[in-house]
Amino acid sequence: AQSVTQLGSHVSVSEGALVLLRCNYSSSVPPYLFWYVQYPNQGLQLLLKYTTGATLVKGINGFEAEFKKSETSFHLTKPSAHMSDAAEYFCAVSANFGNEKLTFGTGTRLTIIP
Amino acid sequence: EAGVTQFPSHSVIEKGQTVTLRCDPISGHDNLYWYRRVMGKEIKFLLHFVKESKQDESGMPNNRFLAERTGGTYSTLKVQPAELEDSGVYFCASSTWGQGATEAFFGQGTRLTVV
Repeated sequence: AQSVTQLGSHVSVSEGALVLLRCNYSSSVPPYLFWYVQYPNQGLQLLLKYTTGATLVKGINGFEAEFKKSETSFHLTKPSAHMSDAAEYFCAVSANFGNEKLTFGTGTRLTIIP
Repeated sequence: EAGVTQFPSHSVIEKGQTVTLRCDPISGHDNLYWYRRVMGKEIKFLLHFVKESKQDESGMPNNRFLAERTGGTYSTLKVQPAELEDSGVYFCASSTWGQGATEAFFGQGTRLTVV
């Protein structure tokens, strides 16, 4: 069984400040980890993914995340927030890549303060 | 290349009525998934098709929900009869695996409101 915990259902940061969205997972097998973003009135869009290899993964729009097995974490960061980053972010885990369901966290709504 | 398409984008129906949601996956994607997000909760898995076969339907809430995937192409999810607790956003996703495996690509969702 797998599960995802996202700490903080709402996060607010000032424009230009660091964005840090937290994700911890539980998995009985080596995990595949994902961050998806949902902008207002749009569907889910993949930000980045960890499958194998380098534990620091870079995604679109300047986001990155680091897989830390010892901490069972996959936190999402961006050095400098932009107004366009306002959205809801979802962390997800699966047991395989390409043919396995995703288990999602409850989501974190990011607000950017001008 | 067209993405995952879902119809309708919104549906408001009365309790006891029937609603059918449709999903057109990305062409060539054998895997098709349905998910649901009830307000304020996490996005939950409903079921997984591989081509026309149901691979995993462990997330289907009850027998009022019926999913089909005709010829391994588009999929429908029927709710009959609808109850108030069925309200939420229903997402469809598709992917491919093996060589050239991809992550799941999501549609924009269908917002279902049962009144």
